[in-house]
Parts: sequence; C-alpha cells; structure tokens
Amino acid sequence: NAGVTQTPKFRILKIGQSMTLQCTQDMNHNYMYWYRQDPGMGLKLIYYSVGAGITDKGEVPNGYNVSRSTTEDFPLRLELAAPSQTSVYFCASILPNRDRNTEAFFGQGTRLTVV
Amino acid sequence: AQSVTQLGSHVSVSEGALVLLRCNYSSSVPPYLFWYVQYPNQGLQLLLKYTSAATLVKGINGFEAEFKKSETSFHLTKPSAHMSDAAEYFCAVSDKGGSEKLVFGKGMKLTVNP
Repeated sequence: NAGVTQTPKFRILKIGQSMTLQCTQDMNHNYMYWYRQDPGMGLKLIYYSVGAGITDKGEVPNGYNVSRSTTEDFPLRLELAAPSQTSVYFCASILPNRDRNTEAFFGQGTRLTVV
Repeated sequence: AQSVTQLGSHVSVSEGALVLLRCNYSSSVPPYLFWYVQYPNQGLQLLLKYTSAATLVKGINGFEAEFKKSETSFHLTKPSAHMSDAAEYFCAVSDKGGSEKLVFGKGMKLTVNP
C-alpha cells in the first residue's frame, strides 16, 4: 500500500519556467490538498479538492493551478516560476467520516528551488 | 476563521525530561484538533486527535494531549523524552466548512539532548 506518492522529490527551476508536481494516492480518498511549507511558517493551503472534477482555492493559490480528473491524481501546476515559490510542497488526502476528525495522509514532499 | 497558535519555534530538552509543547486555538465552538509530527526530510504523520469523547487524548510514541476548553488549549506532553522524539511538531485545526481543510500552527522544533 503506497499511500500518497509525490514526484519529483527535488527540482530546481529557472525563473519563468513551468512544471507540474505530481500527486497520486491509492487509498480511494475523496479529499485531496496541496500545502506549501516555508521555514517558521507552518503549512499553508494552496488548493484542495473534495472529489473528481471539483477544486477550490486555499489560502495561497496565486501562481498555481490544479486539476482533478480522477480520484487518484491531483497534480499542481506552476506556470511561471518565481523565487517566491521556492518551498517544500506537500500533498495530502483524507477519507472524510461522520465524526469530522479523520486523519490526513501526507506524501514525502517535493523540495522546489527557483533560481 | 479558525486558527491555532504555537508560541515559539524551538524547544530543547534533555533525554528523560518532560516534553511540553503548547497549542492554543481560537474557536467559538468545539474544534477538531490534531497534533502532527514531521521527522527530518519526511511528510507529516498523525500523533493524535481530539474527539469529544475524552479530554485527555493518548497518541503514538507515548505522547498525549489534554483539551481544556476554559483555556482554549490543547497542549502536547510526553513524560520522558527520547532521542527519537527529535522532530517538528504541528498543532492543527480542521475547518468546519465541509472540506476538512487543516489550518496549521507554525510548528515547534524539538531537540533532545543526550
């Protein structure tokens, strides 16, 4: 059981380049999320999805796009990379329950540097 | 909007000493609270979560947290620190809007000295 898988693990981009961070989960979870982690700032929500075909903005969506064509996959797209997007990106998924306190499962992260 | 506050960014304890990591929440209704741990170069994993069934919650690796409504707190404790506890710890609250988005505190890096 792989859980949440993110690729790549590391990437260096030049300013203005674009790339897609991949995220896939094999737990049949409905809800998926993208967070970025910056030192001393905790994790900030970029985008989330509550099911295939449904996406919504989080706290820091500028400069990013997402799609959710299947339950398993939730790619994050950077169109014009900027130094401010240097960060560690985490994908997470949840299978919601009635109690509303279900565990989130996280991928190992993608460390992105924009130079 | 709901939020959690973790004051400070780093705490250092000796092996065998008490670990106390503080978290305060802002919510006018009972929140859904969590503690997550992040080991170096890894993703986050759940330590424990608050359920309304009990105010004292036990988690993995000997950690526990007590929900105190009067203090709006959910502090994390462990009676005796182990070297393997060195990690970053995040308090989080779940959004009540139906998407279960997590709002994280800024995190607390725990160092355990031999």
